[in-house]
Amino acid sequence: EPEVTQTPSHQVTQMGQEVILRCVPISNHLYFYWYRQILGQKVEFLVSFYNNEISEKSEIFDDQFSVERPDGSNFTLKIRSTKLEDSAMYFCASSEILGGSYTGNTIYFGEGSWLTVV
Amino acid sequence: KNQVEQSPQSLIILEGKNCTLQCNYTVSPFSNLRWYKQDTGRGPVSLTIMTFSENTKSNGRYTATLDADTKQSSLHITASQLSDSASYICVVANSGNTPLVFGKGTRLSVIA
Repeated sequence: EPEVTQTPSHQVTQMGQEVILRCVPISNHLYFYWYRQILGQKVEFLVSFYNNEISEKSEIFDDQFSVERPDGSNFTLKIRSTKLEDSAMYFCASSEILGGSYTGNTIYFGEGSWLTVV
Repeated sequence: KNQVEQSPQSLIILEGKNCTLQCNYTVSPFSNLRWYKQDTGRGPVSLTIMTFSENTKSNGRYTATLDADTKQSSLHITASQLSDSASYICVVANSGNTPLVFGKGTRLSVIA
């Protein structure tokens, strides 16, 4: 089965440092997402991306966050100046079409990148 | 406010037994409801997707039900296996292109 791959699987960074999390979505998918899950809490939406621009973003996705599709295969999430509260599992996801309102649209999640800010 | 509530928070059952997990939602206008399985430290994996017109959908030993009138869903696991130990997350989509709404999940532990 096709899969979304993420790197690194785990990163420890100092507060204030920049972090880039990388994702390779499923090859024929056009829509990409980042979600995060703080330990013990529910999965939260960060941002959706299509055609090289942000489709939607949540309140969490402030100016410290940015996304980019630097080439034809990678999709990245950058956190400019990490804070302790950014410690979480970050999931990349992709789908053929946008959003969850279409029942046939399965959103595939990667295995996650566990970010620890110290 | 769009919300998804799941119960119980956690559940321990013996291998081979059945169990049922519950989900209540207030997402409106409703489009579809999804159940995901999330193993510890891994990404969610889709189990079922149901629209308002579907009452029941099965995927192997997993059977999801949906009552769109009462805004409730359940996930029934039959003949549980040790590998079923995971968090089961109820996720609801509304009819726009707004993001999915996730529940906190039910943590299921199947023991021998």
